[in-house]
Order: sequence, then C-alpha cells, then structure tokens
Amino acid sequence: EIVLTQSPATLSLSPGERATLSCRASQSVSSYLAWYQQKPGQAPRLLIYDVSTRATGIPGRFSGSGSGTDFTLTISSLEPEDFAVYYCQQRSAWPYTFGQGTKLEIK
Amino acid sequence: QVQLQESGPGLVKPSETLSLTCSVSGGSLSGYYWSWIRQPPGKGLEWIGYVYYTGITNYNPSLKSRVTISADTSKNQFSLELTSVTSADTAVYYCARHLRDKGHFEYWGQGTLVTVSS
Repeated sequence: EIVLTQSPATLSLSPGERATLSCRASQSVSSYLAWYQQKPGQAPRLLIYDVSTRATGIPGRFSGSGSGTDFTLTISSLEPEDFAVYYCQQRSAWPYTFGQGTKLEIK
Repeated sequence: QVQLQESGPGLVKPSETLSLTCSVSGGSLSGYYWSWIRQPPGKGLEWIGYVYYTGITNYNPSLKSRVTISADTSKNQFSLELTSVTSADTAVYYCARHLRDKGHFEYWGQGTLVTVSS
C-alpha cells in the first residue's frame, strides 16, 4: 500500500497570503495524484487531478505541481472560503489511498 | 448535474451486516466507475472499493473479505454490504463517481453516518 504523508498537519495563515501544502508518497505515484478540499459537515471536493489539472469550476488560485513522490498544492492568495482540510490521494496503485490531511486555519 | 444520495440504516449492531445504497440522478451508471469511501469521525478518508457499471469490482485488501459492492443499472443505483461489523466500522460513508476512467472522485454524495453499537 502506498502511504501518503502530508505536511504540515496544520497551517495557520491570513486571507490574502499564499499557502503551500505538501504531500509525499512512500513510492512513486507518477502523475496520478489528486487534491481535495473538505469543509466541516461536507463531502470532499475534487480540486486538482493528475498533479496539476484543475477540476471543473475550480478557481485559478489553486495550482498543483510535483512528480514521482513529492507534490505541492499552492493557493496563491487565500480567500475566506479556502480555510478547510485538504487531502491528497493517489490512483497509481490499488488500494487507492489518501493522505491524513492538512488543516488550513485562519491565523 | 450528477447527484448521488446514500441511504440505509444509521445504526447497525456489532457482528451484523451494514448495507447502504447510493442512488444516482442526473446521469447514468453506464460508462463510469463508482466507489464507496468512508471517514471515521474526526479522521481521514479510506477507499473501500469500486464497481464498474458492468459489475466488475475491486476492493481494498484491508476489507476485501467482508465487502461486496454491486451495481443495478435498471435502478441507477449501486450498493455496499459490509459484514461482521465492529465499532471500528463506525464512519461517515460516502458514495462517489470516478472522474471518467480515472481513480479520482469527481462527484460525491453528502455522506451518511453509520454507527456500530448494540
């Protein structure tokens, strides 16, 4: 099973700042990595798939990068609605696995 | 717009079988993969398994001996059965549609909390 480790566990920032979230895989997942946003009481929402492709309707301030084992989700300028928990997920090998999440909180 | 809705008992007794159904509207099961994913309270996400509309399945090895996922194209629904449940199976259960033929999840149900308790 591929283990995804996200860092930091919690990120405290202010609106307007840039957020950088990391996801490291225990073995290469090629480009088969996605990012999700989850708000309290809601289902996760797909933000980015295949490392850097934004899902339908996702604002341009969200971007993804990386390859192999190291990946980054960047939010260029935080909006109030961006404060949530973010998960990475790989589809390179079964079982599909998720990271443990990064909580992005308002500073 | 594709919508998914989970339904089933919110309380299941230990050692019994958890059964959930996901009803799909605004689109057909045909041509897509459909998954179940769960999230214990306050914890992260775990993929349980998927069914292709033709009935082909794939399960997480950690649950494989207890899981069955099936699809009913005539009803536009797919289902989850998890046998011999324990308190460790208490979670919010989500159904989701894959993004085309990829193993990423584009559409999600709202989730349903299933508690295992006597």
